[in-house]
Amino acid sequence: AQSVTQLDSQVPVFEEAPVELRCNYSSSVSVYLFWYVQYPNQGLQLLLKYLSGSTLVESINGFEAEFNKSQTSFHLRKPSVHISDTAEYFCAVSISGGYQKVTFGTGTKLQVIP
Amino acid sequence: ETGVTQTPRHLVMGMTNKKSLKCEQHLGHNAMYWYKQSAKKPLELMFVYSLEERVENNSVPSRFSPECPNSSHLFLHLHTLQPEDSALYLCASSHATKMTSGSGTDTQYFGPGTRLTVL
Repeated sequence: AQSVTQLDSQVPVFEEAPVELRCNYSSSVSVYLFWYVQYPNQGLQLLLKYLSGSTLVESINGFEAEFNKSQTSFHLRKPSVHISDTAEYFCAVSISGGYQKVTFGTGTKLQVIP
Repeated sequence: ETGVTQTPRHLVMGMTNKKSLKCEQHLGHNAMYWYKQSAKKPLELMFVYSLEERVENNSVPSRFSPECPNSSHLFLHLHTLQPEDSALYLCASSHATKMTSGSGTDTQYFGPGTRLTVL
């Protein structure tokens, strides 16, 4: 079975500063990796995903994540955060075969300070 | 309405009440999911329906009873709940590429959730 670890439950960062949200996974087979974002009082939305090909994936709002197989990591980064990025971010992993069973991490709350 | 909707958004119920949560997806998907989101815990997958057939029941207590009358609607019937069942209940949908053997690459689309409080 696969698992996901997000060690940081909360990350405070000043506006316009860079941020990295850490995600590590464990699996005995090849995985697909996702980052979801949850804004206050809303459901989760897909931010970006790695399926295959280039190990660096980007979202439309400036976030990027890099798949590192040797370190089993999929950290999320943004070079300059905005107030509107304040939300909770969930890393998730799925494997091929069997319906779409996704394993989520515990989430990291990003608090952008003006 | 677009995307995935859930009603009600907030629900307070006593331990002896019976209530139902409703989810509707307007995306033409063929798989739907119920998740439980509790503070400081990972999202817990409760039930999965693919083409209206339940394909997963993740050891959920029988006081939670799902129903999927068609590919667009999903219900979660609640009865004799416990205070520890208080949580945010999220519904999601996806386009499963195969009925029982997905590719693992499908994106799930979530509703806003129902905040349930059990007194």
